[in-house]
Amino acid sequence: RKEVEQDPGPFNVPEGATVAFNCTYSNSASQSFFWYRQDCRKEPKLLMSVYSSGNEDGRFTAQLNRASQYISLLIRDSKLSDSATYLCVVNIDTGNQFYFGTGTSLTVIP
Amino acid sequence: SQTIHQWPATLVQPVGSPLSLECTVEGTSNPNLYWYRQAAGRGLQLLFYSVGIGQISSEVPQNLSASRPQDRQFILSSKKLLLSDSGFYLCAWSVVGRGRRTQYFGPGTRLLVL
Repeated sequence: RKEVEQDPGPFNVPEGATVAFNCTYSNSASQSFFWYRQDCRKEPKLLMSVYSSGNEDGRFTAQLNRASQYISLLIRDSKLSDSATYLCVVNIDTGNQFYFGTGTSLTVIP
Repeated sequence: SQTIHQWPATLVQPVGSPLSLECTVEGTSNPNLYWYRQAAGRGLQLLFYSVGIGQISSEVPQNLSASRPQDRQFILSSKKLLLSDSGFYLCAWSVVGRGRRTQYFGPGTRLLVL
């Protein structure tokens, strides 16, 4: 079983739409959670950390459900510039390794 | 602020040739360092990570090797490249802050083996 699983998509949404991605993790000892954004042919960039109480950064909201072992990313009022692949990442107890999902592809259509 | 450098940005090499990719980090001390490979349209594959000078952990058996000669320098090498070594090579660093370990990536090297 993979440590982290994501729906690969693709998600094609119109500008202004709200879109949500989910990600599940298998290790209940996982403690730190992140969403990264990767543009085509570029490196992944940290979008936001995910905190237990949920957190928001502008149009982006991240939530964690420890009981069901999933995290989510909600993007409101989608912009064309939001088109990218979104990676779910888990770190276990500040350990050395990070576990990546394969990414969810988002295309925002004019 | 911390920055991470990788070079070269792109590289075209013939099969059987050697490889050396370098990564350096500035603005932090004793980071964990990582080498990942991403094949076209695929996810990230962890190749090596290092928790300190001279300490290398290998995650995937292959014809690649890594070295960490200095605290903020990480090198990926191969004696003889294979076609399957083509991909996007990413160096990353991480440190613990505010109770969590966060990872940051360099710009990557795109390698094409012909």
